[in-house]
Amino acid sequence: DQQVKQNSPSLSVQEGRISILNCDYTNSMFDYFLWYKKYPAEGPTFLISISSIKDKNEDGRFTVFLNKSAKHLSLHIVPSQPGDSAVYFCAASDGHAGGTSYGKLTFGQGTILTVHP
Amino acid sequence: DTEVTQTPKHLVMGMTNKKSLKCEQHMGHRAMYWYKQKAKKPPELMFVYSYEKLSINESVPSRFSPECPNSSLLNLHLHALQPEDSALYLCASSQDNGWAEAFFGQGTRLTVV
Repeated sequence: DQQVKQNSPSLSVQEGRISILNCDYTNSMFDYFLWYKKYPAEGPTFLISISSIKDKNEDGRFTVFLNKSAKHLSLHIVPSQPGDSAVYFCAASDGHAGGTSYGKLTFGQGTILTVHP
Repeated sequence: DTEVTQTPKHLVMGMTNKKSLKCEQHMGHRAMYWYKQKAKKPPELMFVYSYEKLSINESVPSRFSPECPNSSLLNLHLHALQPEDSALYLCASSQDNGWAEAFFGQGTRLTVV
């Protein structure tokens, strides 16, 4: 049962344009969402997060949008740069300290983003 | 300092060997994690330590034995592994609340022969 889904295995974008990566989740207990960027043979690097009390969070070129009713979030990268080429993982947790799944991040399958010069 | 340091970076071990993976962080985080990532798959949680106590074990086989000697260190002891255990092992740490991002190390690429 895949609770976090990234349905697009890959995305190709021209430099300077917007990259939009999508993520859907099924577990209504999830209340904290994160995006990580990963290069091969390296650990994931944290990019941006959003809690369920918000619908948008911005950090520089990165913006995450959360639609709780649709159980959908997206990461927008504007403008896209060739250095953004990597695998992007969406992750979710239920965030409740002391809960049985406290501290557990559930990852989506990842989307390979390629930004062409 | 937002660094999580893992050693070694690469490890090749036989099925009868005993080895250990090490992880260190100096961010004052009180939650530490082991994840396993197979090729072309997302990271999967193995263990969570909170204040040096094991709080989550995701039904991991006993040939993987975690240890948290202090708040900065996390070890993963390996014994009698199988070739299918070959993977990238990732350590992470975070603040001890459910709303904090986890910072990951570079990982240890483990090959079991």
